[in-house]
Amino acid sequence: AQSVTQLDSQVPVFEEAPVELRCNYSSSVSVYLFWYVQYPNQGLQLLLKYLSGSTLVESINGFEAEFNKSQTSFHLRKPSVHISDTAEYFCAVSKTSGSRLTFGEGTQLTVNP
Amino acid sequence: DGGITQSPKYLFRKEGQNVTLSCEQNLNHDAMYWYRQDPGQGLRLIYYSQIVNDFQKGDIAEGYSVSREKKESFPLTVTSAQKNPTAFYLCASSLGQGQETQYFGPGTRLLVL
Repeated sequence: AQSVTQLDSQVPVFEEAPVELRCNYSSSVSVYLFWYVQYPNQGLQLLLKYLSGSTLVESINGFEAEFNKSQTSFHLRKPSVHISDTAEYFCAVSKTSGSRLTFGEGTQLTVNP
Repeated sequence: DGGITQSPKYLFRKEGQNVTLSCEQNLNHDAMYWYRQDPGQGLRLIYYSQIVNDFQKGDIAEGYSVSREKKESFPLTVTSAQKNPTAFYLCASSLGQGQETQYFGPGTRLLVL
């Protein structure tokens, strides 16, 4: 079975500062990795995903994540955050041969002016 | 517009009452999922279905039931056996067949009176 650990439940930062949201996973088989974002009282939106190929993946709004197989990590980074990035972020993993996603507990990112 | 719709947005349940949450998708996806979200616990899988007329229990299926009579619909019934039903419920779908990006609906918040 897979598991996901998001190491920080809350991350407060100031606007225009860099941010890193940490995600570690555990699995005995090959995996796909995902980051989803959730704004208050809404569903989840896919931010970015790693399926294969380049270990560095990027989203359209400036986030990036790097798959590190040796450290079993998939940390999410942004060099300069905006107020509008305030949301809850979920890391998730699935087996490459299966259909189920396992989610981490989420990290609340709060960007302050 | 293609997407996933969930209704109602808010739902109130009396003690001992069954309630059904609706989930419809027009993405032509084979797989559909129901998650429960509680503060600080991330998303937990209740049931999932990879094809019409078939579904599997997730991690917290007790007190819930589902049906998958049509490809586009996957309703969830919260039965009176679910002793702590107050939560945010999210429906998702994916292409299936190894294409595991899941797309989420806007959610239904269930409250017990």
